[in-house]
Amino acid sequence: DTEVTQTPKHLVMGMTNKKSLKCEQHMGHRAMYWYKQKAKKPPELMFVYSYEKLSINESVPSRFSPECPNSSLLNLHLHALQPEDSALYLCASSQEKQRGGRQETQYFGPGTRLLVL
Amino acid sequence: GIQVEQSPPDLILQEGANSTLRCNFSDSVNNLQWFHQNPWGQLINLFYIPSGTKQNGRLSATTVATERYSLLYISSSQTTDSGVYFCAVERSGGSYIPTFGRGTSLIVHP
Repeated sequence: DTEVTQTPKHLVMGMTNKKSLKCEQHMGHRAMYWYKQKAKKPPELMFVYSYEKLSINESVPSRFSPECPNSSLLNLHLHALQPEDSALYLCASSQEKQRGGRQETQYFGPGTRLLVL
Repeated sequence: GIQVEQSPPDLILQEGANSTLRCNFSDSVNNLQWFHQNPWGQLINLFYIPSGTKQNGRLSATTVATERYSLLYISSSQTTDSGVYFCAVERSGGSYIPTFGRGTSLIVHP
């Protein structure tokens, strides 16, 4: 199984709403990632979790709050977003032989298309 | 940080044609991946290729790490090859922060 799943596929939310994006993988990968992708741009890294610990936060605003409840799940909690946060949010995972070690092939989920009104 | 440049930015082909996509990077890398993003947004890993040559069906890739470039070859292109091709690298000696190039947008006409 080389699948990363994400829910929901689409999300429309107001600026005062609170919502969560979910990501799941069952490949035994210990590194998981959140990316944000605007139209006609490459993915931008937001967060990296290594062995369920946050290892990289690319100066993301606090209205985005990641959570890794266990080695298979990754959540992204959204609160008080702005219209410019509308984008495709991608989750990925990869094998990490040891914590902080070299990464292997990344597998991406299908993404959540977020629209903030 | 490391710079990643992809060329060409756009490519239009007739079905059956061959093409070569290029990725140049500005520093030594531990990790280089090629991805295909289809029109629905799904990113598929094509190759994990920090050095050497790999082939998978009609696709092949070569990375010459000492000269800081990688090439992706697409032979006998099909309409399903349309989409955006990204190169992503991890700089040697740094924490894992993958840097993506801006991509090559490919359209294959029937």
